[in-house]
Amino acid sequence: GAVVSQHPSWVICKSGTSVKIECRSLDFQATTMFWYRQFPKQSLMLMATSNEGSKATYEQGVEKDKFLINHASLTLSTLTVTSAHPEDSSFYICSARNPGRALRSGANVLTFGAGSRLTVL
Amino acid sequence: DAKTTQPTSMDCAEGRAANLPCNHSTISGNEYVYWYRQIHSQGPQYIIHGLKNNETNEMASLIITEDRKSSTLILPHATLRDTAVYYCIVSRGNQFYFGTGTSLTVIP
Repeated sequence: GAVVSQHPSWVICKSGTSVKIECRSLDFQATTMFWYRQFPKQSLMLMATSNEGSKATYEQGVEKDKFLINHASLTLSTLTVTSAHPEDSSFYICSARNPGRALRSGANVLTFGAGSRLTVL
Repeated sequence: DAKTTQPTSMDCAEGRAANLPCNHSTISGNEYVYWYRQIHSQGPQYIIHGLKNNETNEMASLIITEDRKSSTLILPHATLRDTAVYYCIVSRGNQFYFGTGTSLTVIP
């Protein structure tokens, strides 16, 4: 149980275009999802917290207008990279809180998606 | 959330126990310790978590010191498939901030 699915798994786009990445919780509802970015040989960097029905909370230094986040339902959050440029090429990973594990232990175990690799030409 | 410090890399012989340390000296009382691992080009995979007591599951054991300032993840019988980057995270809330992790290489 507690599967998080991302789509697409990889995407190539031209500079200046926008790309949308979807993050779905397949067998549980997630009021909160999290978006990370990972550059080659680096750790994951938290970009923003996606809240169902309200605005996302962005980490310091992350451009809100550049990375649009929409969390319109309890099972879907989307990240749109607007006017993408080569420096936006990265591995984007989403996660959601696992309610089953959280209920049992009181902790907030996150389940991560498989990631979406974006290459901007 | 408390900052963690992990060795950059470690090697382990196949079949032997892999012991991965993590320092979190500024951890607060309500922060949990979580361990995840990331195999190349995949999303992080949950391994185990704990608060005060040692924990064990089908994947690993987590040993937390009495003062909670450090912990050790133990993979009892490492296999080649355990080669990955292992992240130790301490958090009291939903947000997880990843450190640099330990790159574990299991050697045949």
